[in-house]
Amino acid sequence: RKEVEQDPGPFNVPEGATVAFNCTYSNSASQSFFWYRQDCRKEPKLLMSVYSSGNEDGRFTAQLNRASQYISLLIRDSKLSDSATYLCVVNLSSNTGKLIFGQGTTLQVKP
Amino acid sequence: DGGITQSPKYLFRKEGQNVTLSCEQNLNHDAMYWYRQDPGQGLRLIYYSQIVNDFQKGDIAEGYSVSREKKESFPLTVTSAQKNPTAFYLCASQDPGTGAYGYTFGSGTRLTVV
Repeated sequence: RKEVEQDPGPFNVPEGATVAFNCTYSNSASQSFFWYRQDCRKEPKLLMSVYSSGNEDGRFTAQLNRASQYISLLIRDSKLSDSATYLCVVNLSSNTGKLIFGQGTTLQVKP
Repeated sequence: DGGITQSPKYLFRKEGQNVTLSCEQNLNHDAMYWYRQDPGQGLRLIYYSQIVNDFQKGDIAEGYSVSREKKESFPLTVTSAQKNPTAFYLCASQDPGTGAYGYTFGSGTRLTVV
């Protein structure tokens, strides 16, 4: 089983749609969780950290379910500019900063 | 402005050559990382360093070498022993090196074997 698993998609949605991405992780000792965005042929950029209580940043909402080892990202009112690959990222231990990346979920927002 | 710089942006390597990818950061971050990304795949960890003069192998270290003589610099050498080096190479830094705050990435180097 992969340490971090995501549905690769692609997700093709119309502008204005709400879309949700899911991610599962294998290690219950995981400490920190993030969503990164990666545009085609570019480096990943931090979108948001994921906190146990859930957190929101504008149209983006991230949630964490430690019991189910599950992370989600909800994007409301999708824009064309949201088209990208979204990477689920997990840190397994507070003793090391190594992050484990999922393979990413591709989103294509269409007019 | 603080940031992390990778060079060159594109690199072409002949069979049997060693090449070195540069990674420099002025963020005063302790921890630095090298990842490889193949088309349609996630990032795989090659090497990482949490402090100057110390580094650790990641999941796919074979055929690669690194050094960390200065806090700002973490160059990666792709040796001739790496049989399939064509990929997108990403360098990242992190502070503190505990994973609580995520990475800052450089813009990457695309290496192609010709």
